[in-house]
Amino acid sequence: QKEVEQNSGPLSVPEGAIASLNCTYSDRVSQSFFWYRQYSGKSPELIMSIYSNGDKEDGRFTAQLNKASQYVSLLIRDSQPSDSATYLCAGIVYNQGGKLIFGQGTELSVKP
Amino acid sequence: EAGVAQSPRYKIIEKRQSVAFWCNPISGHATLYWYQQILGQGPKLLIQFQNNGVVDDSQLPKDRFSAERLKGVDSTLKIQPAKLEDSAVYLCASSPENFREYFGPGTRLTVT
Repeated sequence: QKEVEQNSGPLSVPEGAIASLNCTYSDRVSQSFFWYRQYSGKSPELIMSIYSNGDKEDGRFTAQLNKASQYVSLLIRDSQPSDSATYLCAGIVYNQGGKLIFGQGTELSVKP
Repeated sequence: EAGVAQSPRYKIIEKRQSVAFWCNPISGHATLYWYQQILGQGPKLLIQFQNNGVVDDSQLPKDRFSAERLKGVDSTLKIQPAKLEDSAVYLCASSPENFREYFGPGTRLTVT
C-alpha cells in the first residue's frame, strides 16, 4: 500500500456544488495532514492542515480526519471555476526527523 | 515578504549532460527542501537541510545527484549525468517550522 493515496481524477463538478476530495493513508503515516492546491504549471500552496480527529473549517473549505478509517477528506463548498486545480494530500512520516509524503493528487475541474 | 526564488525556470539538456539548479529560500527559514515532481505525481522529497546540515537524503540518487546549502542560505542541486527519467519539475521549498512549507516556482527539466 502506498503511504498516501488519492484518486487521480479528474473530478468534475458544476459551479456552486460541493467538491469532495479524498485521501487514505497507511500505518506509517502520522495523523497530521495537509492539503495543498496546485494550479497547472504552478507550485503547490498550502490551504489547510488538520491534526485531530473530526472537522476543521476555513471559509469554503472543510478538512475532515477519520483516524479509525485512516481517511482524510477536503470539502469545497460553493465550488468556483477558480477552484479548478490539482489538490495534493500530504502526511508526515517520522523517519530521520520527519518528512512530508504526498499523494499523487486529484485533479478538480469546476464547470461554469 | 519575498518568496522562494529558483533558477533557471526551464532547462533542456541531453542525456548524460550535467545540470545545476539554484534556490534562495525565504529569509530566516532554517529548513530547505528539494523535491522532484514527475508529471501526474505528487512531489517526492529528495533532500532536506536544516541550516547547513542534511536531515534526510534517503531518496536522493547519490550516484548522480548532489546538493549543498551554502552558509545555511542558498542551495544548489546538481545532476550528473542526467538520465531521461530525470525529466521532472524540481521544486525548492523552505520552512520556518516543520512541515509549514513554502514552495518556489520550480525548475522544469527536460532530458532528451
